[in-house]
Amino acid sequence: AQTVTQSQPEMSVQEAETVTLSCTYDTSESDYYLFWYKQPPSRQMILVIRQEAYKQQNATENRFSVNFQKAAKSFSLKISDSQLGDAAMYFCAYEGGSEKLVFGKGMKLTVNP
Amino acid sequence: NAGVTQTPKFRVLKTGQSMTLLCAQDMNHEYMYWYRQDPGMGLRLIHYSVGEGTTAKGEVPDGYNVSRLKKQNFLLGLESAAPSQTSVYFCASSYSRQGNTEAFFGQGTRLTVV
Repeated sequence: AQTVTQSQPEMSVQEAETVTLSCTYDTSESDYYLFWYKQPPSRQMILVIRQEAYKQQNATENRFSVNFQKAAKSFSLKISDSQLGDAAMYFCAYEGGSEKLVFGKGMKLTVNP
Repeated sequence: NAGVTQTPKFRVLKTGQSMTLLCAQDMNHEYMYWYRQDPGMGLRLIHYSVGEGTTAKGEVPDGYNVSRLKKQNFLLGLESAAPSQTSVYFCASSYSRQGNTEAFFGQGTRLTVV
């Protein structure tokens, strides 16, 4: 079974600085998708960024970018120019052939003014 | 734009009681999902549906039943609630598999079983 590991339960960053959230996963599949979701205190799950495993180019969405290392099974999220509104729980997730999302346990990001 | 709406948002049940959580989406999505979120556990899939009239088990299906009689609605039932089912429940929907299209989540239902 696929597993997703987020080894850092909490991180903090100063406003306007850059922070990197780590995620590793375990799978024997070659075709899959990886996601980062954000959950602010409102509890709403929001998709931040998506990566298709067959694409070598790292996905980017404005201030958010990923470092996808397929061989190492690593999928980290970089947040540039951190803003107070970035404070939230962040979840890494995997979807493979089963078409079901598998989530990591999450990481709490604090942004200090 | 309603998106995905969950009813109710909060509920307290006594052990052994039953209840149904309703998820409604107005985006004509085929796929619908029920997750539970527990502290330090992330989201875990309970049941899901890939179209009207279909349901399938997820990672933690025991103690729950679901129905998808209408495309826009996905119901999650607890026949005999147990304290271990205290959790926050999320419904989500997507047009197709989540790798191809974005999944939209409801705002969650906080359920406490005493």
